[in-house]
Amino acid sequence: DTAVSQTPKYLVTQMGNDKSIKCEQNLGHDTMYWYKQDSKKFLKIMFSYNNKELIINETVPNRFSPKSPDKAHLNLHINSLELGDSAVYFCASSQDSLAGGGETQYFGPGTRLLVL
Amino acid sequence: AQSVSQHNHHVILSEAASLELGCNYSYGGTVNLFWYVQYPGQHLQLLLKYFSGDPLVKGIKGFEAEFIKSKFSFNLRKPSVQWSDTAEYFCAVMNTGFQKLVFGTGTRLLVSP
Repeated sequence: DTAVSQTPKYLVTQMGNDKSIKCEQNLGHDTMYWYKQDSKKFLKIMFSYNNKELIINETVPNRFSPKSPDKAHLNLHINSLELGDSAVYFCASSQDSLAGGGETQYFGPGTRLLVL
Repeated sequence: AQSVSQHNHHVILSEAASLELGCNYSYGGTVNLFWYVQYPGQHLQLLLKYFSGDPLVKGIKGFEAEFIKSKFSFNLRKPSVQWSDTAEYFCAVMNTGFQKLVFGTGTRLLVSP
């Protein structure tokens, strides 16, 4: 029944490691997003994909690489993790954002990443 | 660049008090407006949204918001809060041309029983 799901829910890792977070949506949406929520709860968009094509890429370090194998999945791979990467990462999805209507985004439960 | 301001960072209310959370944005074109709520330890859920039409929109759990275009505002209101409304509230704005949702910094609401 879960509309937008993410795995894992918690991720604790050492600096320098490489890790991936997975996101899946079963809403039939065309557009998926990754957001980062920092320790002060500020939410900022990182990436957006529409039908597997990258459409938004904010000023995110190259260490972050999103991958969309199909329109229902958007994974986030992070290389060489740093302390400052510790945050909650939220995946979201919406209907076709390129239709110009400004569709509602539905969020996943978040992945809490702690880099030690 | 688009920005969203939420003036109240922390609000503490007693149950049954009325709530108004401010939200102002800085874009002059056509926008879609949203309020999301994040309960402790949970993900963001949509409370309400404004796309067009009646500027007074009603959402879930008795919340409503009024879009005042001349003031670039979209304040959230609830006449009588409950303890279960304790959460973080985020205003967000989407410029329909950029398809990007920009969030405010959030307001943490604590409702004491």
